[in-house]
Amino acid sequence: NAGVTQTPKFRILKIGQSMTLQCTQDMNHNYMYWYRQDPGMGLKLIYYSVGAGITDKGEVPNGYNVSRSTTEDFPLRLELAAPSQTSVYFCASSPGQNINQPQHFGDGTRLSIL
Amino acid sequence: ILNVEQSPQSLHVQEGDSTNFTCSFPSSNFYALHWYRWETAKSPEALFVMTLNGDEKKKGRISATLNTKEGYSYLYIKGSQPEDSATYLCAMTNTGNQFYFGTGTSLTVIP
Repeated sequence: NAGVTQTPKFRILKIGQSMTLQCTQDMNHNYMYWYRQDPGMGLKLIYYSVGAGITDKGEVPNGYNVSRSTTEDFPLRLELAAPSQTSVYFCASSPGQNINQPQHFGDGTRLSIL
Repeated sequence: ILNVEQSPQSLHVQEGDSTNFTCSFPSSNFYALHWYRWETAKSPEALFVMTLNGDEKKKGRISATLNTKEGYSYLYIKGSQPEDSATYLCAMTNTGNQFYFGTGTSLTVIP
């Protein structure tokens, strides 16, 4: 039972490079989320999706893009990496049509921009 | 942006002691309050979801209460064990489909 799978686990980028953080879930969840976790700052929502074809900005969307072409996949794209985007990124999903369901998290992607 | 606050930021207790932490949140447009347990090098795992004022949930030695009128939730751990050491996160959801997380309480249980 894989749950939420994130790849890669670690990555180092140079300033200005681009990359895509992959997230896939096998639980047929409608809701998916991307967070970043900075030291002492908790989890900040970047983007979220309530279903295939629908995405919305969260609290800190600048510098990121997402797409949701299928229920299973919710990739996060960094177009021009900046040092401020050094962080640990978590993808999460939740079932159902309402948000009193808990989220299931991936193991995170640790990203460093140098 | 909603401000969810947790206190204390960190806590050290002796094995066998009972402890509790607080999550404060804005009570307007409240939908649900979530508690997660987050061990180092792992991903957060859901403990409880509470929606109604006065809700109480329990799982083993861990329990939680909810007061939506005054905007707080307490998490209690009875007879702390070393394996309880983790960061405990709370998150509030409102009617806008978003989760707003606190910064967590880091608990260390000393054997």
